Amino acid sequence: DSGVTQTPKHLITATGQRVTLRCSPRSGDLSVYWYQQSLDQGLQFLIQYYNGEERAKGNILERFSAQQFPDLHSELNLSSLELGDSALYFCASSPGQGNYEQYFGPGTRLTVT
Amino acid sequence: GENVEQHPSTLSVQEGDSAVIKCTYSDSASNYFPWYKQELGKRPQLIIDIRSNVGEKKDQRIAVTLNKTAKHFSLHITETQPEDSAVYFCAARYSGGYQKVTFGIGTKLQVIP
Repeated sequence: DSGVTQTPKHLITATGQRVTLRCSPRSGDLSVYWYQQSLDQGLQFLIQYYNGEERAKGNILERFSAQQFPDLHSELNLSSLELGDSALYFCASSPGQGNYEQYFGPGTRLTVT
Repeated sequence: GENVEQHPSTLSVQEGDSAVIKCTYSDSASNYFPWYKQELGKRPQLIIDIRSNVGEKKDQRIAVTLNKTAKHFSLHITETQPEDSAVYFCAARYSGGYQKVTFGIGTKLQVIP
């Protein structure tokens, strides 16, 4: 157990809908990263937050957005969902401040039908 | 931006043999190189990492080497065991104004008993 939690574990929804994925980082970690992993694909970096502020952006679609709250938990919002958005979404956290080790949560499996 | 190439994409070895996975990166400003192991349906887990000021690091049967001049780094697993079967990802972290971590495509390692 990495100490990073993600909810829900599984999510099944229809095209055009909007969903919110939630991540709680390890205690003390200030950085949160979001990744998308499609079937048999690598890890695509989406976005990173550090202590509530956006720090880096990857290949994140405009239909997707994220935020990190004062208690450091983070949410990834996916809207106008398409079939191609079906994937495993991982959150990872790291302490920041020179410590780059990332610890991954168990992931949320999103299925868009 | 940073580009990380990883090969081979699949690797089969006999139990007890060694396995080597290689990665190259494009941005000479990258300074942190982790390796992750992902078993089927599970989260990626950090198994070893190396910083740019170190040429080699070892942890039991796992070692990582870094050649900054050539911009490549490798994962070496000795005395492989069936439980080493998994997908392995390399990654590189850019040390500039943002903290994006770029992952390789992954190597599926199969250890044959």
